[in-house]
Amino acid sequence: GAVVSQHPSWVICKSGTSVKIECRSLDFQATTMFWYRQFPKQSLMLMATSNEGSKATYEQGVEKDKFLINHASLTLSTLTVTSAHPEDSSFYICSAILNPGLAPAGTGELFFGEGSRLTVL
Amino acid sequence: GQQLNQSPQSMFIQEGEDVSMNCTSSSIFNTWLWYKQDPGEGPVLLIALYKAGELTSNGRLTAQFGITRKDSFLNISASIPSDVGIYFCAGQLDSGYALNFGKGTSLLVTP
Repeated sequence: GAVVSQHPSWVICKSGTSVKIECRSLDFQATTMFWYRQFPKQSLMLMATSNEGSKATYEQGVEKDKFLINHASLTLSTLTVTSAHPEDSSFYICSAILNPGLAPAGTGELFFGEGSRLTVL
Repeated sequence: GQQLNQSPQSMFIQEGEDVSMNCTSSSIFNTWLWYKQDPGEGPVLLIALYKAGELTSNGRLTAQFGITRKDSFLNISASIPSDVGIYFCAGQLDSGYALNFGKGTSLLVTP
């Protein structure tokens, strides 16, 4: 089946630095990717929708200047946490969707990355 | 996005017992999905449901798409220790839309 890969799996950084997380679709082209955030023992909360070649759409309450999303190719979306603070520590998970024009109806966004755990000291 | 109501929040059962969990929503979804997430990993799809009333099985797992399109349940029969994990329901309005997740059901199975 389709594979989505995230890198890095773990990252520890100092407060004030920026961290980039990559999400790649390994065997299919993904025009749309989604970024989720998950705090310990909680559910996944959608942060933003990343569309190839256009600006990301952010959910209410998510700061677009803090969480920069770039979807420059059909196989790669990146999430950059700028000027990270301890409260940004979380598990970030991406999800990639097959080209909607080719996918059977209702099977969009079935593939999740392994997640990236960010710890900001 | 909307967060779905998932229950129970946690279950502690003995190996061999059957498990049932459900998910409800205040709005309609056209696709319901059930995922399992192990610690430190991304969710893995267990079952996807595309039609109201649909009942689908995957091994010991059975899930149904509620007729009102506002609910779904997941059953696990004859549980085994490797069933331990957090189970999430997710609703999707249509292909191309993001998923709305439930709060998760944490399942613990004792030998």
